[in-house]
Amino acid sequence: AQSVTQLGSHVSVSEGALVLLRCNYSSSVPPYLFWYVQYPNQGLQLLLKYTTGATLVKGINGFEAEFKKSETSFHLTKPSAHMSDAAEYFCAVSDRTDSSYKLIFGSGTRLLVRP
Amino acid sequence: EPEVTQTPSHQVTQMGQEVILRCVPISNHLYFYWYRQILGQKVEFLVSFYNNEISEKSEIFDDQFSVERPDGSNFTLKIRSTKLEDSAMYFCASSEGAGYQPQHFGDGTRLSIL
Repeated sequence: AQSVTQLGSHVSVSEGALVLLRCNYSSSVPPYLFWYVQYPNQGLQLLLKYTTGATLVKGINGFEAEFKKSETSFHLTKPSAHMSDAAEYFCAVSDRTDSSYKLIFGSGTRLLVRP
Repeated sequence: EPEVTQTPSHQVTQMGQEVILRCVPISNHLYFYWYRQILGQKVEFLVSFYNNEISEKSEIFDDQFSVERPDGSNFTLKIRSTKLEDSAMYFCASSEGAGYQPQHFGDGTRLSIL
């Protein structure tokens, strides 16, 4: 079964520093890949997605992610963290090989931004 | 920007009671989903719904759960006889298409079973 691993339940960075949140998936056939952000007391907001084509995808709020098939990874980055980036980030996949449309989520990474 | 809306934001119910969680998906979307997140755990898929029928359900979605699209706008999740372990945040989502189309989530309903 498909699974998603997010390394690090908490990541702490200084304001202005690089943000790197890691995500690895398990299947041999690359799934559709998504990053969602959850601010306190809010729902899941789509940051970006990879379905096909260019492996570096840009999303909202200056985030981007790179799909690396050889590493089965889809890490999320942002060059310079802002205080408003503090939130929980979820990597999710959707299997493209069958008719299942469900999202399978990682366990989430809470990003803390220090002033 | 269109959004998925969920009501209520917080529901407190006695164990054994029925509860209905309501969702209004984005109007031109065709696929609808329910997920739940128990405190401190992953977001888990419950059920997907398309063309007025369930297209997939997880093992969590047992006979105590049901979904319905009673009219052209609402999408509901019913739990017939709630258990303590049903306490969780329940998220509704919708998408224009399947698989590669992103799912858009509501803000969730926090269900507390006493």
